[in-house]
Amino acid sequence: GQNIDQPTEMTATEGAIVQINCTYQTSGFNGLFWYQQHAGEAPTFLSYNVLDGLEEKGRFSSFLSRSKGYSYLLLKELQMKDSASYLCAVHNNNDMRFGAGTRLTVKP
Amino acid sequence: GAGVSQSPSNKVTEKGKDVELRCDPISGHTALYWYRQSLGQGLEFLIYFQGNSAPDKSGLPSDRFSAERTGGSVSTLTIQRTQQEDSAVYLCASSTRTGQGIQYFGAGTRLSVL
Repeated sequence: GQNIDQPTEMTATEGAIVQINCTYQTSGFNGLFWYQQHAGEAPTFLSYNVLDGLEEKGRFSSFLSRSKGYSYLLLKELQMKDSASYLCAVHNNNDMRFGAGTRLTVKP
Repeated sequence: GAGVSQSPSNKVTEKGKDVELRCDPISGHTALYWYRQSLGQGLEFLIYFQGNSAPDKSGLPSDRFSAERTGGSVSTLTIQRTQQEDSAVYLCASSTRTGQGIQYFGAGTRLSVL
């Protein structure tokens, strides 16, 4: 089977740093994506990793370890608008498999 | 177009009726995906189209679900004899190619089966 696991909910304080973890077990691997989804809206692309290591893009960074089947999304200098669900997705051969998402709440 | 367009945005139907959901991908995108998202849940892969190749239907939950893509562009997802458990948001996404292609999502169709 294929599993993509991430925490259901997280809470953090405005200005802080939060790390959202994702572990996966899939039959193939062509890359790992992180998407952000605000309530009632469509997911939007945040980051993509295909090689091991850290990809940095402004306040957001994403890390991948293919041998461990592990990724994390790091959000720095949290803002209230970062309150959203964060979806980990693995591109596996011809399709994309999504985790259930992590609902992040940023508090003042 | 500027983005992925889906219609209708909302659809309320009675149990047992058929529904058709439409997706207009971004012009030039060869890959098109359909997903289903139940309230508070992640995305469930339904079907994938790549160019003129036969679609990957491995995610369709039952034979009541079908999809087609005409001319390599517009796609229609059809649900026959709808059931209450079909109620969800149906999202369409397109990308330039498989593998590394970033998926761009439409706003979705919220389907409610009464």
